Amino acid sequence: AQKITQTQPGMFVQEKEAVTLDCTYDTSDPSYGLFWYKQPSSGEMIFLIYQGSYDQQNATEGRYSLNFQKARKSANLVISASQLGDSAMYFCAMRAHMEYGNKLVFGAGTILRVKS
Amino acid sequence: DAGITQSPRHKVTETGTPVTLRCHQTENHRYMYWYRQDPGHGLRLIHYSYGVKDTDKGEVSDGYSVSRSKTEDFLLTLESATSSQTSVYFCAISGGTGVSGANVLTFGAGSRLTVL
Repeated sequence: AQKITQTQPGMFVQEKEAVTLDCTYDTSDPSYGLFWYKQPSSGEMIFLIYQGSYDQQNATEGRYSLNFQKARKSANLVISASQLGDSAMYFCAMRAHMEYGNKLVFGAGTILRVKS
Repeated sequence: DAGITQSPRHKVTETGTPVTLRCHQTENHRYMYWYRQDPGHGLRLIHYSYGVKDTDKGEVSDGYSVSRSKTEDFLLTLESATSSQTSVYFCAISGGTGVSGANVLTFGAGSRLTVL
């Protein structure tokens, strides 16, 4: 079974600074994918970034990067130059490729508040 | 935007009444999912479908049933709603199970259900 742990219920960051949201995972599947989603106060789920377990480099998408440390089973999200619009709930999720159905398992989420 | 709509978006009902939530997609994606979101739990999978008339249980399937008679529609039914089923319900779709990050789950806007 897969498990995602997000240990930070809430985080504050000053506008324009970088912030790291923690995510650790557990799986016995050697092939898996890791995802981050953003949920603003409006409620929609927005896909941010993906990292495959065999990817050699850390994924980046604009101001988002994923700090993937396979041996430590961590997949932290780094947001550079925080903006007020980054205030939201952030979910880490994983998909084990041997599991049928392309299902995602989610962590409990981290609420990020950006201060001006 | 991915063509995925949920209805109703908000519903208040009483304990013991049946409730059906509908998810409709226009992307012709094979996989469809129902998740529920609760504070402290993130999103948890209720049921998913991997084709017409092909469905399977997720992590929290007790008290829920699903049906998929057409590719585009995935229905979630609470046969006899209980207060513990008060939640926000998300439908999601996915085009495949490959390792490509392109097989990302895309979510609907959510349906907020309150069971009194």
